Amino acid sequence: QKEVEQDPGPLSVPEGAIVSLNCTYSNSAFQYFMWYRQYSRKGPELLMYTYSSGNKEDGRFTAQVDKSSKYISLFIRDSQPSDSATYLCAMSIPTGNTPLVFGKGTRLSVIA
Amino acid sequence: ETGVTQSPTHLIKTRGQQVTLRCSSQSGHNTVSWYQQALGQGPQFIFQYYREEENGRGNFPPRFSGLQFPNYSSELNVNALELDDSALYLCASSPGTNQETQYFGPGTRLLVL
Repeated sequence: QKEVEQDPGPLSVPEGAIVSLNCTYSNSAFQYFMWYRQYSRKGPELLMYTYSSGNKEDGRFTAQVDKSSKYISLFIRDSQPSDSATYLCAMSIPTGNTPLVFGKGTRLSVIA
Repeated sequence: ETGVTQSPTHLIKTRGQQVTLRCSSQSGHNTVSWYQQALGQGPQFIFQYYREEENGRGNFPPRFSGLQFPNYSSELNVNALELDDSALYLCASSPGTNQETQYFGPGTRLLVL
């Protein structure tokens, strides 16, 4: 079992839809949870990060962490064609030199 | 404030050759991490440099090596290239060793023939 599992998609939705992206993980020591957006042939761009459990909202994006279920989600409201990208979840243990562990990424297409 | 930059953007090499990739960290960031991203996969951690010293390494062989310079820029060197080394190589910088505030560069796409 990989440490971080993420459905690679592809996921195709109409413009304006609510998108739900998810990751599960196996290592209960993870405390930091990040979501990155990666456009084709570009580097990942940090969207949001959350420490431990709970929700965090930033504009149209909401990140949720459920540590009891080892499950994290990213919701995108009112999705736009410009949201079309690959979304990567990543997580880490809160000590200085432990690396980010990424999921495979979910490819999202928002159709106008 | 400039972001993370990497050079070159693309590179083609043949098996057995050596390659050097370069990264300039974001202003004020003293930590650089390198990742390998194969097609259709998430980035895999190679190593991290903090104040010119290696500060953690992933599951990559010794032919992957690096350097960090006093201005916090960094190099990734790969010797004896193999076909499986074909990937996007990403550099990320952060203001300290905390992983939650890493900012990535655009990457160098390496093709090994």
